Amino acid sequence: AQSVTQPDIHITVSEGASLELRCNYSYGATPYLFWYVQSPGQGLQLLLKYFSGDTLVQGIKGFEAEFKRSQSSFNLRKPSVHWSDAAEYFCAVGAGGAQKLVFGQGTRLTINP
Amino acid sequence: NAGVTQTPKFRVLKTGQSMTLLCAQDMNHEYMYWYRQDPGMGLRLIHYSVGEGTTAKGEVPDGYNVSRLKKQNFLLGLESAAPSQTSVYFCASSSTGVHQETQYFGPGTRLLVL
Repeated sequence: AQSVTQPDIHITVSEGASLELRCNYSYGATPYLFWYVQSPGQGLQLLLKYFSGDTLVQGIKGFEAEFKRSQSSFNLRKPSVHWSDAAEYFCAVGAGGAQKLVFGQGTRLTINP
Repeated sequence: NAGVTQTPKFRVLKTGQSMTLLCAQDMNHEYMYWYRQDPGMGLRLIHYSVGEGTTAKGEVPDGYNVSRLKKQNFLLGLESAAPSQTSVYFCASSSTGVHQETQYFGPGTRLLVL
């Protein structure tokens, strides 16, 4: 069965520092991978997605993610975080028909001023 | 263009009571989904619909029913609420069912069952 693991439940970084959020997936076929962000009290917003082509994907708000098939990973990165990036981040894999998504547990990001 | 909206935003129920959560989208999307979000577990798919008049079970369907009588609306029902159904419920929609399609999420409904 498909699964997604986000090993870090909570990460704290200082404003202006670089960020990397980890995501590992388990899926037998070519994965369709997504990163969503959830600001406090809000719904989920798509940051970026990968389904084919270039393994380095650019998203909104200055985020990027790199698909590494050999490591079954799809880590999210940002070179310099802003206080407004504080949120919960979810990695997901598209599984089966009807575009059902399987989500990871989420990583909560706190930004220190 | 409101996107995906959910009603109500917050609700408290007593065990055994029933309620219906309403999801509406104005993007003419074919596919709609109901998820629940619990701490440390991410989002899990409850039910989904691939078009008006059709519904299907997701990962955690027990205790819930759904209906899609109109293309723009997707209703989630709890016939007899249990404390284990305390959660945040999110509705989402997508234009098609292809794997790379983006799902658009509503703001969520927070449900507390006492």
